[in-house]
Amino acid sequence: GAGVSQSPSNKVTEKGKDVELRCDPISGHTALYWYRQSLGQGLEFLIYFQGNSAPDKSGLPSDRFSAERTGGSVSTLTIQRTQQEDSAVYLCASSSKGQPQHFGDGTRLSIL
Amino acid sequence: EDQVTQSPEALRLQEGESSSLNCSYTVSGLRGLFWYRQDPGKGPEFLFTLYSAGEEKEKERLKATLTKKESFLHITAPKPEDSATYLCAVQATNSGYALNFGKGTSLLVTP
Repeated sequence: GAGVSQSPSNKVTEKGKDVELRCDPISGHTALYWYRQSLGQGLEFLIYFQGNSAPDKSGLPSDRFSAERTGGSVSTLTIQRTQQEDSAVYLCASSSKGQPQHFGDGTRLSIL
Repeated sequence: EDQVTQSPEALRLQEGESSSLNCSYTVSGLRGLFWYRQDPGKGPEFLFTLYSAGEEKEKERLKATLTKKESFLHITAPKPEDSATYLCAVQATNSGYALNFGKGTSLLVTP
């Protein structure tokens, strides 16, 4: 496919469990972003990867959140010891440098 | 602190009834202002980028304009398929390439 692909599309887990969310960006895009969209809130920036540079982690809400980008392509967002307030839609976007960000359809995460 | 405020929160229009959505922003230095459309259960879909005051962009029934303090998304003769949430975001020169989003305007166009 030509767009940003995210998996799973939905994830339900119990409080305290760890979760991994995956993002496959558009081929050739060097920049990759993670955002979170909570009910009634705007999209909130989490982390940004650009090429081989150190990621911008300034938006991560706590040390329970981490992300990796392997080989400059696929990225995984990991949330450890999930809490109910982590319930949200997690959106991934990618872009070429200086170009608009294109979003995937997100992973809807529900913490029971 | 950078801020993006969109109004109204929700808007209901009759088909063919033109209107405008507002995005007010404060940012230390503007790299770009972006408009996205989001349908339920989907990710945001890119519409426009505006870079400097006075700039305008058009696509079908949509026209985006920019001043130093706000942007407008004008919708001319809307159709039911224009129903969606419209998101405004700013990219500041001092915050890398992350987007700072407003909470959006939910638009419903009825036949």
